[in-house]
Amino acid sequence: DVKVTQSSRYLVKRTGEKVFLECVQDMDHENMFWYRQDPGLGLRLIYFSYDVKMKEKGDIPEGYSVSREKKERFSLILESASTNQTSMYLCASTLLAGGLYEQYFGPGTRLTVT
Amino acid sequence: ELKVEQNPLFLSMQEGKNYTIYCNYSTTSDRLYWYRQDPGKSLESLFVLLSNGAVKQEGRLMASLDTKARLSTLHITAAVHDLSATYFCAVASYGKLTFGQGTILTVHP
Repeated sequence: DVKVTQSSRYLVKRTGEKVFLECVQDMDHENMFWYRQDPGLGLRLIYFSYDVKMKEKGDIPEGYSVSREKKERFSLILESASTNQTSMYLCASTLLAGGLYEQYFGPGTRLTVT
Repeated sequence: ELKVEQNPLFLSMQEGKNYTIYCNYSTTSDRLYWYRQDPGKSLESLFVLLSNGAVKQEGRLMASLDTKARLSTLHITAAVHDLSATYFCAVASYGKLTFGQGTILTVHP
């Protein structure tokens, strides 16, 4: 079974803090993704990565950055957290098997910025 | 820009009834996904639809894809309480997925 893990289930941070969200997958997947999920808006893509040290902006990259130093690990960084970044953050990975792009999701991190 | 719209966004059903969730998308794609999310949990893959006319069924759920109409449906047959969850469709384009807003399904006795 594919396993995608995230470093924290719940996180509370103060405005202006630098926040690191970690994601690890154990299936040697090439692609990894970070989404945020807000009620009524579905999942919105923040950043994704096709390979180590590669990154691509998604639909809402402002206020975020990412790091992928190893294939299995993809980090999301909030340089200076703001209250509008309070959300559920989901990491996903995918193996490009026959172009399926089926994504496997981690359990999510619920971040509250006060 | 690819847009994916689901309707309804909220669905309250009685046990034993049938209903359909619709997923419309704005640009050509031949891969569509349905996911389920239980409260406080992550997303679980339900179906992957890869071609026009594709139909997949699992238990009381059946998904179909019409790429010409840019429409997928998720049909629920004889709903039971265990189906209460949020359902998302997602469309693949250029190696990434665009998700609909989600449909919150509640099944009542």
